[in-house]
Amino acid sequence: SQQGEEDPQALSIQEGENATMNCSYKTSINNLQWYRQNSGRGLVHLILIRSNEREKHSGRLRVTLDTSKKSSSLLITASRAADTASYFCATDEGAQKLVFGQGTRLTINP
Amino acid sequence: DTEVTQTPKHLVMGMTNKKSLKCEQHMGHRAMYWYKQKAKKPPELMFVYSYEKLSINESVPSRFSPECPNSSLLNLHLHALQPEDSALYLCASSPEMPGDTQYFGPGTRLTVL
Repeated sequence: SQQGEEDPQALSIQEGENATMNCSYKTSINNLQWYRQNSGRGLVHLILIRSNEREKHSGRLRVTLDTSKKSSSLLITASRAADTASYFCATDEGAQKLVFGQGTRLTINP
Repeated sequence: DTEVTQTPKHLVMGMTNKKSLKCEQHMGHRAMYWYKQKAKKPPELMFVYSYEKLSINESVPSRFSPECPNSSLLNLHLHALQPEDSALYLCASSPEMPGDTQYFGPGTRLTVL
């Protein structure tokens, strides 16, 4: 089952600009996580936000969670070329497994 | 040590071969996972091991056979695969629950001829 759907599917911006990507999900969750994947590599955990939290920051990352709308957003500020990657949201489905969204492919142009 | 290692990095095999993928972690994690990822798609869960016992099998064909010899090691035995099984196979671990932060290995790129 595909719990998280992400928007946009692809995003291309200039270095220094901010990037925002969104994730929607369908069922109740305990937490929502964001992961980054560089081309053909493993996933790297970025941030976890619990269902009772509304906003969380980590360095240049800001994540929001709206459980009433079943949606989350990831904001990357002051983007760098090294931020070029695919970004996935993941929700815990019944605490039994993580289900990943379709992902957003982010390209940062120099 | 916050690393999950996977070997080999690349594997090419024929449809009649038998091969194994290996995964190792030394973080004391009690949950380990196998995922399959096709190009431009999200990872799809295959198996979950919790405290060395298989807890979830996502209806994976029997030509994939997981094994957890101990709390640090996870194997995926491959036999009689099909070309459509070509993909990136990712191993991950988490402290205890699947909803915890998962730590991923770099993956094995598998090509089935």
